[in-house]
Amino acid sequence: EPEVTQTPSHQVTQMGQEVILRCVPISNHLYFYWYRQILGQKVEFLVSFYNNEISEKSEIFDDQFSVERPDGSNFTLKIRSTKLEDSAMYFCASSEGGVGTTYNEQFFGPGTRLTVL
Amino acid sequence: DAKTTQPPSMDCAEGRAANLPCNHSTISGNEYVYWYRQIHSQGPQYIIHGLKNNETNEMASLIITEDRKSSTLILPHATLRDTAVYYCIVTGNYGGSQGNLIFGKGTKLSVKP
Repeated sequence: EPEVTQTPSHQVTQMGQEVILRCVPISNHLYFYWYRQILGQKVEFLVSFYNNEISEKSEIFDDQFSVERPDGSNFTLKIRSTKLEDSAMYFCASSEGGVGTTYNEQFFGPGTRLTVL
Repeated sequence: DAKTTQPPSMDCAEGRAANLPCNHSTISGNEYVYWYRQIHSQGPQYIIHGLKNNETNEMASLIITEDRKSSTLILPHATLRDTAVYYCIVTGNYGGSQGNLIFGKGTKLSVKP
């Protein structure tokens, strides 16, 4: 069964450093998402991406964050200058269609645990 | 903020049906009800979704009231592996939005032997 993969599974970085989290969505999916979950808290939406551009972003997704689909298979989340409060599990998700279409369920990857020291 | 209200926790005996309620009294006509679950710290997993009609798939059934203000997720024969946090999410296609998922705190379902 096709699945969303994410690398690395765990990333440790120093405050102020840049990190890139990588995701490989399911191959025929067109909609891509990033979510995060701070330990013990809710899953929070960050950004959605379709047709090579951001569709929607939350208040969390400020200028420190960016997303890219560099090569047609990978989908990346970059944090330019990490802060302590960026420590969280980051989940990538993809779907074949958007809400209201037939195949719109989002498939989530296993997550990347980011620890900022 | 999440547009749904769920009980924080529920218990269910293994092999019995688990009925998880959700209130979404402010749901609008073009919004869907989605159910996801999260087992421990894994990525959320899609279960089922519906608009107006009741739905069933290999994992669960979704019963939506006629006024659409509440719904119930039914796991017909719960197993220990169904122990997870279950999220009821209301979302829709808002002028081109893909209907991003806004998670609440969900219901922690504990299936006991």
